[in-house]
Amino acid sequence: AQTVTQSQPEMSVQEAETVTLSCTYDTSESNYYLFWYKQPPSRQMILVIRQEAYKQQNATENRFSVNFQKAAKSFSLKISDSQLGDTAMYFCAFISRDDKIIFGKGTRLHILP
Amino acid sequence: DTGVSQDPRHKITKRGQNVTFRCDPISEHNRLYWYRQTLGQGPEFLTYFQNEAQLEKSRLLSDRFSAERPKGSFSTLEIQRTEQGDSAMYLCASSLPPGEAFFGQGTRLTVV
Repeated sequence: AQTVTQSQPEMSVQEAETVTLSCTYDTSESNYYLFWYKQPPSRQMILVIRQEAYKQQNATENRFSVNFQKAAKSFSLKISDSQLGDTAMYFCAFISRDDKIIFGKGTRLHILP
Repeated sequence: DTGVSQDPRHKITKRGQNVTFRCDPISEHNRLYWYRQTLGQGPEFLTYFQNEAQLEKSRLLSDRFSAERPKGSFSTLEIQRTEQGDSAMYLCASSLPPGEAFFGQGTRLTVV
């Protein structure tokens, strides 16, 4: 069965700093998608960034980028120049061949002023 | 289309009562997912559909839970004989594979 592990339950960083959130996953499939979702306090889940496993190039989206290591089954999220609005729960997610989406337990990120 | 909508946003019910939640996905999305989320935890998979066909139901899910998606459009999630342990946020999401899933705002259930 596919699993997603986020080993950092909670993190805090100062505004404007760079922070990296870790995620590892387990699968026997070779083609899949990975996502990072953000869930601000009391608000709905929104997509931050996605990565197709067949692409070697790491995805970037403005201040957000990933470090995708397929052999190591690692998919970390880097947030540069962090802002107060980045405070949220961040979930790593894996989507398999059958389009079932599996989430990690999340990392609660606090951006401190 | 304004995205995925869920109704109601909040539901308080007495233990033993039945509740039903509704999800309206983005219109062209053929996949629809139901998740349960408790405070500080990640979304737990409950079930998902392709159009009107239910593809999988979590083995952890009690028989008190049932979901439908008639005509492949909106979906309902029913919980029979609610228990206090059912208190959670119930999230619905939809997608058009291989695209990402879009989430609704959730239905918060409190069983008293």
